[in-house]
Amino acid sequence: EVQLLESGGALVQPGGSLRLSCAASGFSISSYAMSWVRQAPGKGLEWVSVISYSGDDTYYGDSVKGRFTISRDNSRDTVYLQMNSLRAEDTAIYYCAKVPYGDYANAFDIWGQGTMVTVSS
Amino acid sequence: DVVMTQSPLSLAVTLGQPASISCRSSRSLVHNNGNTYLSWFQQRPGHSPRRLIYQVSNRDSGVPDRFSGSGSGTEFTLKISRVEAEDVGVYYCMQGTHWPSWTFGQGTKVEIK
Repeated sequence: EVQLLESGGALVQPGGSLRLSCAASGFSISSYAMSWVRQAPGKGLEWVSVISYSGDDTYYGDSVKGRFTISRDNSRDTVYLQMNSLRAEDTAIYYCAKVPYGDYANAFDIWGQGTMVTVSS
Repeated sequence: DVVMTQSPLSLAVTLGQPASISCRSSRSLVHNNGNTYLSWFQQRPGHSPRRLIYQVSNRDSGVPDRFSGSGSGTEFTLKISRVEAEDVGVYYCMQGTHWPSWTFGQGTKVEIK
């Protein structure tokens, strides 16, 4: 079964850092772009970042640009999100989501269960 | 960024009756290649989002045929022909035409009357 499992969520103080991980099972991520999407408590979905299958290309939403870094280790079938200079407004469930092969426009066909990040003093 | 606007934001439906959700985009979603990239996602209470429909009207594997998508340009619709109890949740539209800035609608909450 194709699955994505996020981990690394925690309570962190404003200005702090955190690294999220997304481990794939049931398939190899090496052929797929991968993304992070977040959902603040009681709110809607917001795209955060995407990384190409090779890792050569990365893109970020305006709200996280310059603070978050996406990366991947295809040998471990794992995608990461390094989050620095965290703010209260970054509080959210962070979902990992897969992009269909070569099809960025039809993104997010598979989602993980999410990991909660809380930024508070 | 392209703004996606859904209506209504909340919908109470009797079991077995149809339901319809509208989604409008601030810019045309027709891509340079002629395709239109509008997807629909379902998020059941306490669960992750699940994609139901891609490219306006294509159902994902395992999605019941009571779900259908239609529309063009800037106006799109998700229809549930006969609502079942398991359809309760929040439904989001999302545009992918103008990636790498994917944008979602605010969500429409569907509940049983």
